[in-house]
Amino acid sequence: AQSVTQPDIHITVSEGASLELRCNYSYGATPYLFWYVQSPGQGLQLLLKYFSGDTLVQGIKGFEAEFKRSQSSFNLRKPSVHWSDAAEYFCAVGARAAGNKLTFGGGTRVLVKP
Amino acid sequence: DAGVTQSPTHLIKTRGQQVTLRCSPKSGHDTVSWYQQALGQGPQFIFQYYEEEERQRGNFPDRFSGHQFPNYSSELNVNALLLGDSALYLCASSLNGQGIYNEQFFGPGTRLTVL
Repeated sequence: AQSVTQPDIHITVSEGASLELRCNYSYGATPYLFWYVQSPGQGLQLLLKYFSGDTLVQGIKGFEAEFKRSQSSFNLRKPSVHWSDAAEYFCAVGARAAGNKLTFGGGTRVLVKP
Repeated sequence: DAGVTQSPTHLIKTRGQQVTLRCSPKSGHDTVSWYQQALGQGPQFIFQYYEEEERQRGNFPDRFSGHQFPNYSSELNVNALLLGDSALYLCASSLNGQGIYNEQFFGPGTRLTVL
């Protein structure tokens, strides 16, 4: 069975500073990895995804993530945070063998200081 | 091209009641999955419907049931509501394909409050 761990429940960053959110996954086969963002009271918006190929993937809103198979990690980064990036971020792993269902981490809430 | 739509947006019920939530998939999609997101937690997979049958199920009791219609839209039913059923219910649709990973697209969710 697959699982996802996001070690940081809350992160506070200053506007303009860099951001890195950690994600570790457990899955026996080739993982399909995703990062979603959720603003308060809203649904999930896909930031980026990794299926195969280049391990550094670019997403929307200036985010990128790096897949490291040896570390079972898929960390999300942004070089310079904007106040509008304050939200909850979820990492997820998809399992093709399990009907493509997604298993999500517990989320990391990002607060942005002015 | 409409994305995934869900109704209603918000719902308030009392314990013991029954509720039905609805989802229309993205145009061209034939598979619908349902997720429950409790406050402060990540979404959890409830079940998935394809060809009008439940194909996968997560760790949820039988009080949670669903249906898929010939037009691929879907309903989630919850009987005998408990306070702990209060959550955001998310619907996701995808296109069933062989040998590839079929990305899921999420709707805005239905916020259910059980009093």
